[in-house]
Amino acid sequence: DAGVIQSPRHEVTEMGQEVTLRCKPISGHDYLFWYRQTMMRGLELLIYFNNNVPIDDSGMPEDRFSAKMPNASFSTLKIQPSEPRDSAVYFCASRISGREPPTDTQYFGPGTRLTVL
Amino acid sequence: GQQLNQSPQSMFIQEGEDVSMNCTSSSIFNTWLWYKQDPGEGPVLLIALYKAGELTSNGRLTAQFGITRKDSFLNISASIPSDVGIYFCAGTRGSTLGRLYFGRGTQLTVWP
Repeated sequence: DAGVIQSPRHEVTEMGQEVTLRCKPISGHDYLFWYRQTMMRGLELLIYFNNNVPIDDSGMPEDRFSAKMPNASFSTLKIQPSEPRDSAVYFCASRISGREPPTDTQYFGPGTRLTVL
Repeated sequence: GQQLNQSPQSMFIQEGEDVSMNCTSSSIFNTWLWYKQDPGEGPVLLIALYKAGELTSNGRLTAQFGITRKDSFLNISASIPSDVGIYFCAGTRGSTLGRLYFGRGTQLTVWP
């Protein structure tokens, strides 16, 4: 089975440019999460969706960040305009609910390493 | 912000030694999970714990869900070089359905 798919794996851009990160969750999973990982702050939850609806976006740093989930198999995280402090590894994860025994396991993608110059 | 305190932050051990790391919180958690992250990859689930007091093993790995529901530990026995990586604890709380809270991670280095 295919895991969580993220693209691109690496992105290098210049300050001020728009960046779009993409994620395809595991088929059948109804939760999707976006995380950012840095040395200074560790793994931070940015936003998560349930059945394509954003549930909690309190982790989104500021208005420059936006995320969408137009359907159950695709999500984007957009940064516009990008800044050097946005450089990090961005992970997408998905999980399925309603299973017995209960499972809170999230499955992570390989991440997108973003460098903003 | 972070609600889980994970320690130690890093460990340097010799191949064959046992390893122990733990995670604590001031809040009660419903589930405890332990993940491992290899360089350049996303975290991968090692062990999931669902009941207070539960002790679960996965090969050389053993993890326990603390009886107070506020802590968990992970032990690795007879470490090998491929155990190198970052180990994260994570947990869920009933008030925030679906969300995982992560510790800051334990960086493990194993010397041959």
